[in-house]
Amino acid sequence: DVLMTQSPSSLSSSVGDRVTITCQASQDISNYLNWYQQKPGKAPNLLIYDASNLETGVPSRFSGSGSGTDFTFTISSLQPEDIATYYCQQYDNLPFTFGPGTKVDI
Amino acid sequence: EVQLVESGGGLVQPGGSLRLSCAASGFIFSRYAMSWVRQAPGKGLEWVSDISGSGGTTNYADSVRGRFTISRDKSKDTLSLQMNGLRVEDTATYYCAKKRTQGSVAGIFDYWGQGALVTVSS
Repeated sequence: DVLMTQSPSSLSSSVGDRVTITCQASQDISNYLNWYQQKPGKAPNLLIYDASNLETGVPSRFSGSGSGTDFTFTISSLQPEDIATYYCQQYDNLPFTFGPGTKVDI
Repeated sequence: EVQLVESGGGLVQPGGSLRLSCAASGFIFSRYAMSWVRQAPGKGLEWVSDISGSGGTTNYADSVRGRFTISRDKSKDTLSLQMNGLRVEDTATYYCAKKRTQGSVAGIFDYWGQGALVTVSS
């Protein structure tokens, strides 16, 4: 199985700050990498697919980059409504696997 | 508007069975592969199973293979997960999720249900 790691596991920033989360895969997954946001008690929400493509309707302050084994997710200007846990997920190989999540706080 | 509504969760004893359903609407159900993803209380996300649009291809996580069966009913636009031989470690919220791309099995989940809680305990 492809092991996904994320760092940091949690972070606290101020409104307006730039926030960066990294995700690393245990093997080359090309660009088959997605990012999800999950708010407490809610289902995950797709933000970025194929490493860098913004899902329709998702604010442009969210972005993603990377390929191979190293990926980055960025919130350019943190907003109060961005408080959530963020997960990366690979789909290069079955089983699809998720990172452990990064909890973002203000 | 795409909607996915799960039902069938509940409390079951170890070794018991439960069937989850996911009613889909707002899209042409038969054209999209679907998945189940679970989340143990306070833990991360774990992909469980998926099924092609036609229902002809299924895949399972090792942790559930041989105990869980995914299926779909195109006449009712419903996805199901039959869970047998349930274990304490199967306790989780189970989400059904729609694959983003029509006709593709690529694991991009663009819509999720609200989740169904399954608790396995004696």
